[in-house]
Amino acid sequence: DIRMTQSPASLSASLGETVNIECLASEDIYSDLAWYQQKPGKSPQLLIYNANSLQNGVPSRFSGSGSGTQYSLKINSLQSEDVATYFCQQYNNYYTFGAGTKLELK
Amino acid sequence: EVQLVESGGGLVQPGRSLKLSCAASGFTFSDYNMAWVRQAPKKGLEWVATIIYDGSRTYYRDSVKGRFTISRDNAKSTLYLQMDSLRSEDTATYYCATLAVNGWFAYWGQGTLVTVSS
Repeated sequence: DIRMTQSPASLSASLGETVNIECLASEDIYSDLAWYQQKPGKSPQLLIYNANSLQNGVPSRFSGSGSGTQYSLKINSLQSEDVATYFCQQYNNYYTFGAGTKLELK
Repeated sequence: EVQLVESGGGLVQPGRSLKLSCAASGFTFSDYNMAWVRQAPKKGLEWVATIIYDGSRTYYRDSVKGRFTISRDNAKSTLYLQMDSLRSEDTATYYCATLAVNGWFAYWGQGTLVTVSS
């Protein structure tokens, strides 16, 4: 199984700040990576697929990058509505998720 | 608007069975691969099972193989998950989701909670 290691597990940031979340795959996943946002009590919502493609309707302050085993999600100009837990997911070999990064406001 | 509405969750004793349903609307259900993904309380996400758009192929994670069965009724735009021989570790919120051909989960339902406990 491909393991996905996310970091940090939690972070606190201020409004307007830029935030980076990392995801490390246990082997090369050839950009077969998605990012999701899950707000408390809600279901996950797709943000990014194919490592860097923005899902329709997702604000452009969200962006994804990376290749091989290392990927990242960047949130520019943090807004209050971005408070959530973020998960990465690989789909190169079946489907596995990272453990999540809980983002809070400072 | 894509809508996925799960139902059928509840409290069940270990070893018993439960069947979940997911009613789809707002898209052509028979064109889409579908999946179940679960999330244990305060935990991360875990893929459970996948079914191809026409029901011809199914895939399962190892821990549920032989106990869970995913199926679909395209005439009713409904996805199912039959769960037998339930264990305490199956306790989770179960989400149905559309599965893109390449492998991401584009749309999710609101989830249904399954609690396995005596």
